[in-house]
Amino acid sequence: SQTIHQWPATLVQPVGSPLSLECTVEGTSNPNLYWYRQAAGRGLQLLFYSVGIGQISSEVPQNLSASRPQDRQFILSSKKLLLSDSGFYLCAWSRDIRETQYFGPGTRLLVL
Amino acid sequence: GENVEQHPSTLSVQEGDSAVIKCTYSDSASNYFPWYKQELGKRPQLIIDIRSNVGEKKDQRIAVTLNKTAKHFSLHITETQPEDSAVYFCAAKFGNTPLVFGKGTRLSVIA
Repeated sequence: SQTIHQWPATLVQPVGSPLSLECTVEGTSNPNLYWYRQAAGRGLQLLFYSVGIGQISSEVPQNLSASRPQDRQFILSSKKLLLSDSGFYLCAWSRDIRETQYFGPGTRLLVL
Repeated sequence: GENVEQHPSTLSVQEGDSAVIKCTYSDSASNYFPWYKQELGKRPQLIIDIRSNVGEKKDQRIAVTLNKTAKHFSLHITETQPEDSAVYFCAAKFGNTPLVFGKGTRLSVIA
């Protein structure tokens, strides 16, 4: 069966510091991968998605970037965090971009 | 662009009563509609989905109905229990792009 991992689970970072969040999927090949951000009490904001290695689509302009160095690895990065980057970051995968997405456990980020 | 409107944003029901959440979508070609449940502090989890070739799907106390003509679909929860309290998200598939999610409904079941 397929499993999706995210780390770290929680993170407290000062404003202006860099960020690297990692997501990996097990038990499937060539998954479609997604990064979402969820502000407290709010909906799911799609940040990036990837249909293959090195292929990244950005949905929202911001100071974040994403990379997919391996088939089942998706990384979310920032060079300088802003207070507004605080939130719950969710990675998800799907077999096809048009199909059901399955979410990872999330990373709770607090920028102070 | 593609859009999914979800209503209500909050819903309170007495334990044992039914809850209904409705979503409307903009593209009549959409053909896949999943529903997710997100408990506090947890990840969203798929609870039921429906494709456009059927009008209704049921799984125990949960059902989803689809009206393609009116371009809306609804989640129905019967005999609600406190553990049904969560945020529910609808979503729809548009063309060859990722799912588009509604803004969510916070359901509170009052014991």
